[in-house]
Amino acid sequence: EAQVTQNPRYLITVTGKKLTVTCSQNMNHEYMSWYRQDPGLGLRQIYYSMNVEVTDKGDVPEGYKVSRKEKRNFPLILESPSPNQTSLYFCASSDTRQGDVQPQHFGDGTRLSIL
Amino acid sequence: ILNVEQSPQSLHVQEGDSTNFTCSFPSSNFYALHWYRWETAKSPEALFVMTLNGDEKKKGRISATLNTKEGYSYLYIKGSQPEDSATYLCASMNYGGSQGNLIFGKGTKLSVKP
Repeated sequence: EAQVTQNPRYLITVTGKKLTVTCSQNMNHEYMSWYRQDPGLGLRQIYYSMNVEVTDKGDVPEGYKVSRKEKRNFPLILESPSPNQTSLYFCASSDTRQGDVQPQHFGDGTRLSIL
Repeated sequence: ILNVEQSPQSLHVQEGDSTNFTCSFPSSNFYALHWYRWETAKSPEALFVMTLNGDEKKKGRISATLNTKEGYSYLYIKGSQPEDSATYLCASMNYGGSQGNLIFGKGTKLSVKP
């Protein structure tokens, strides 16, 4: 089954304790992206990757890191989490066939609470 | 940051009503416009991706139009059903930054009463 898998689905942690949210897709998609969703603000893009070893900042990259060493994986790293990073996070992927923009496939989301 | 605006913010309709909502996006350097349907406690699901001015796309009772010159898209739902209740998101991709930068609107929350 074609899917985007995020782990963990839920996490409660404390300020300053490094954490990683993993994202994996099995569709051989070049493009992957991370979003956060906050009430009243909608989905905001954190980082995206057009292909392996290529990453770019989205609109709210501060406090986050990503890496794209393999095509299928795109982990989101919070080196020193703070309470303002408490949010619902989504990973997404899409194909990037030349000349044909493809829709994004979303993971089920990860709810992070940072105390 | 480019702004994508959606209106109305929320909408309550009766089963059987037809409805529509608007997405406004920057017309300069336009690349693509996405529509997603987002049910509570689930993840967003793609409805349409449109790129060409005048594009019209249809999926069952849902259809969308695109005007890239004036920077708006309409989403139409014909004969709304309770299962159409969801938040409908649009997102714009524009050149200038990177093709991968997708800006979402805040969504239109649709509630359909039986």
